[in-house]
Amino acid sequence: AQTVTQSQPEMSVQEAETVTLSCTYDTSESDYYLFWYKQPPSRQMILVIRQEAYKQQNATENRFSVNFQKAAKSFSLKISDSQLGDAAMYFCAYRNNNNDMRFGAGTRLTVKP
Amino acid sequence: GAGVSQSPSNKVTEKGKDVELRCDPISGHTALYWYRQSLGQGLEFLIYFQGNSAPDKSGLPSDRFSAERTGGSVSTLTIQRTQQEDSAVYLCASSPGRTNEQFFGPGTRLTVL
Repeated sequence: AQTVTQSQPEMSVQEAETVTLSCTYDTSESDYYLFWYKQPPSRQMILVIRQEAYKQQNATENRFSVNFQKAAKSFSLKISDSQLGDAAMYFCAYRNNNNDMRFGAGTRLTVKP
Repeated sequence: GAGVSQSPSNKVTEKGKDVELRCDPISGHTALYWYRQSLGQGLEFLIYFQGNSAPDKSGLPSDRFSAERTGGSVSTLTIQRTQQEDSAVYLCASSPGRTNEQFFGPGTRLTVL
């Protein structure tokens, strides 16, 4: 079974600084998808960024980028120029082609003004 | 357009009672997922519907949990003889297809007294 591990239960960053959230996963498959979701206190899960495993280029969405290391099964999220609105729980997720989706336990990000 | 909606937003029930949680996916989305999120935890997969195929029930924690999806649209998650450990936020998500992102509803917070 696939597992997703987020080793940082909590992280803190100063406003305007950069923070990196870690995620590792375990799979025997070669084709899959990886996601980072944000969950603010409203509970609404919001997709931040996605990465197809067959793509070598790291995905980027404005201030959010990933460092995808397929051989190491690592998928970290970098948030640049952190804003107060970035404070939330961040979940790393894995999905295979059978739509089997697994989430990590989450990292709570605090942004200090 | 309308996103995924869930009702009720909050439900308080007594131990031993049955509850029904409803999910209205985005129109046209063929895939529908139910997850459970316990306090401070990640998302636990419960069940997945894809079109007219038999649902993937591999995540249901016990036979007290069941779900149906009528007409390929609205889904109801039923928990019979609720227990205190069933207290959690139940999230529903829908997706246009196998390789697309999941769009989440706001969740139903279930409290079993």
